[in-house]
Amino acid sequence: QKEVEQDPGPLSVPEGAIVSLNCTYSNSAFQYFMWYRQYSRKGPELLMYTYSSGNKEDGRFTAQVDKSSKYISLFIRDSQPSDSATYLCAMTQDTGFQKLVFGTGTRLLVSP
Amino acid sequence: SAVISQKPSRDICQRGTSLTIQCQVDSQVTMMFWYRQQPGQSLTLIATANQGSEATYESGFVIDKFPISRPNLTFSTLTVSNMSPEDSSIYLCSVLRLAGEISYEQYFGPGTRLTVT
Repeated sequence: QKEVEQDPGPLSVPEGAIVSLNCTYSNSAFQYFMWYRQYSRKGPELLMYTYSSGNKEDGRFTAQVDKSSKYISLFIRDSQPSDSATYLCAMTQDTGFQKLVFGTGTRLLVSP
Repeated sequence: SAVISQKPSRDICQRGTSLTIQCQVDSQVTMMFWYRQQPGQSLTLIATANQGSEATYESGFVIDKFPISRPNLTFSTLTVSNMSPEDSSIYLCSVLRLAGEISYEQYFGPGTRLTVT
């Protein structure tokens, strides 16, 4: 079993839809949770990071962490075609943020 | 954030040869890392590039196959040695930056797409 599980998709939605991307994990020691966006043929770009359980909002993006269920989510409101990319979750127990464990990524397609 | 460049952006190499990938950061950073991203798989940490000392390798990766140099705080190289088709992958450089009093953020370069024939 992988430490971090993420549905590879693709997830296809129409423009304006609310998107929900999710990861589950098995290591209860993880306490820092990140979401990266990766466009085709580009490196991953850090979107948001959350410490422990709770919600964090940044514009159209909301990150949620439920440590009791070992489940994290990224919500995208009013999705745009420019949001089409692969979204990677990452997490670590390392306070130095060095050893990140990544999910395989979910490919999102937002059609106009 | 951090501006990270990698050279080459892509290459096609023959099996048995070696390729050196360069990573340049726009300012000094303490921590630099090398990752591998294979199709359908998650990013996997190869090693931490340490300035002035030998790199620290993760389980499953060895120095003879992936020698790493880090001569200063803005530059690192990763060599993929004696390549086989299984080494075909995207290789990514990343750096760690302090983002607050107690938090950090890890930034990635654009990647080097390697195909071994």
